[in-house]
Amino acid sequence: EAQVTQNPRYLITVTGKKLTVTCSQNMNHEYMSWYRQDPGLGLRQIYYSMNVEVTDKGDVPEGYKVSRKEKRNFPLILESPSPNQTSLYFCPSSGQGLYGYTFGSGTRLTVV
Amino acid sequence: DQQVKQNSPSLSVQEGRISILNCDYTNSMFDYFLWYKKYPAEGPTFLISISSIKDKNEDGRFTVFLNKSAKHLSLHIVPSQPGDSAVYFCAASAGGYQKVTFGTGTKLQVIP
Repeated sequence: EAQVTQNPRYLITVTGKKLTVTCSQNMNHEYMSWYRQDPGLGLRQIYYSMNVEVTDKGDVPEGYKVSRKEKRNFPLILESPSPNQTSLYFCPSSGQGLYGYTFGSGTRLTVV
Repeated sequence: DQQVKQNSPSLSVQEGRISILNCDYTNSMFDYFLWYKKYPAEGPTFLISISSIKDKNEDGRFTVFLNKSAKHLSLHIVPSQPGDSAVYFCAASAGGYQKVTFGTGTKLQVIP
């Protein structure tokens, strides 16, 4: 089944404890991205990647890091999480000529 | 700066009637527009899209209209069904697949 898989689905962590949210897609898509969804703010782009080793900042990149060492994986790293990073995170992917993103089920992160 | 705006946070419509969801944008460089539907506890799913060279695109019960001079697009759902109850996000991009800007969403409730 074609899908985007994020892990974990739910995470509660403490301020300052480094964490990684993994994202993997099995559709051989070139484009991957990270968004956060917050009430009243919609989906805001954190980072995006056009292919392996090619990444760029979105609209809200502060406090996040990404890497794209393999085509299928695009992990999101929070080096020192803070409570304002409590959010619902999505990692969609898209292929050449396919304009619609395929989204996974998301990761609900709570930083206390 | 919200470049894609959905000014109605919610909308209620009777089953069988038309639902009209609106979206405004400010960036004149946007050349591709998309609508996504999101159910609770799931990621958004791609619904329909339109290129800036068109003013209408239809797919079954869903039609998207684009008015470039007004920087406005709308999604029409006819007839509305209870299963259409979801949050609808408008999205736009400029010249590429990777940087997609989303609106804040409109929650549609279709009343049986």
